[in-house]
Amino acid sequence: DAGVTQSPTHLIKTRGQQVTLRCSPKSGHDTVSWYQQALGQGPQFIFQYYEEEERQRGNFPDRFSGHQYPNYSSELNVNALLLGDSALYLCASSLGDGNEQFFGPGTRLTVL
Amino acid sequence: AQSVAQPEDQVNVAEGNPLTVKCTYSVSGNPYLFWYVQYPNRGLQFLLKYITGDNLVKGSYGFEAEFNKSQTSFHLKKPSALVSDSALYFCAVRDMPDNDMRFGAGTRLTVKP
Repeated sequence: DAGVTQSPTHLIKTRGQQVTLRCSPKSGHDTVSWYQQALGQGPQFIFQYYEEEERQRGNFPDRFSGHQYPNYSSELNVNALLLGDSALYLCASSLGDGNEQFFGPGTRLTVL
Repeated sequence: AQSVAQPEDQVNVAEGNPLTVKCTYSVSGNPYLFWYVQYPNRGLQFLLKYITGDNLVKGSYGFEAEFNKSQTSFHLKKPSALVSDSALYFCAVRDMPDNDMRFGAGTRLTVKP
């Protein structure tokens, strides 16, 4: 049973570009959350998707958007990249509310 | 809104000694509390959670955590540390029904042989 998978593993972009990160949840999970983890910090919640809708959003600008597909996989899109967007982006999946989230290995985004 | 504090950036213990990694939280309702561990260049791995019930929660790899409502704490413990326990540990809290899970800044645990 595959856990949470993310692609790509690493990504290098320049300021102003756009990026799309992808996540496949653990089998049987219907909820996907995205987090940004800057170097030396804890993960910060970006948003959560359930039934193809954004259910909750953290304190991130509209440049960060997402999507969830009927098979529960999800994408994170970031427009107009800034140097400060450089971070490890983590996807986590869960089943229902209150349950633990299972994290993928992350995508390391570097913005030059 | 909920918040989590991990007061120690770094914890050093000798192999075989007990370890404690501290966490305090703030929520408006009943907390859902979690501990995760992160190894270098890896995602977070779930260790244990508290939702309701016994204040002492047992988790993976011999770790346990004690929920203390009066002190709003959820400290992670292990009776005998291993060198392989060296990693970054994160405490997290959810204030249901809010789905926003807040993480602490992390505590780096180093276990020396």
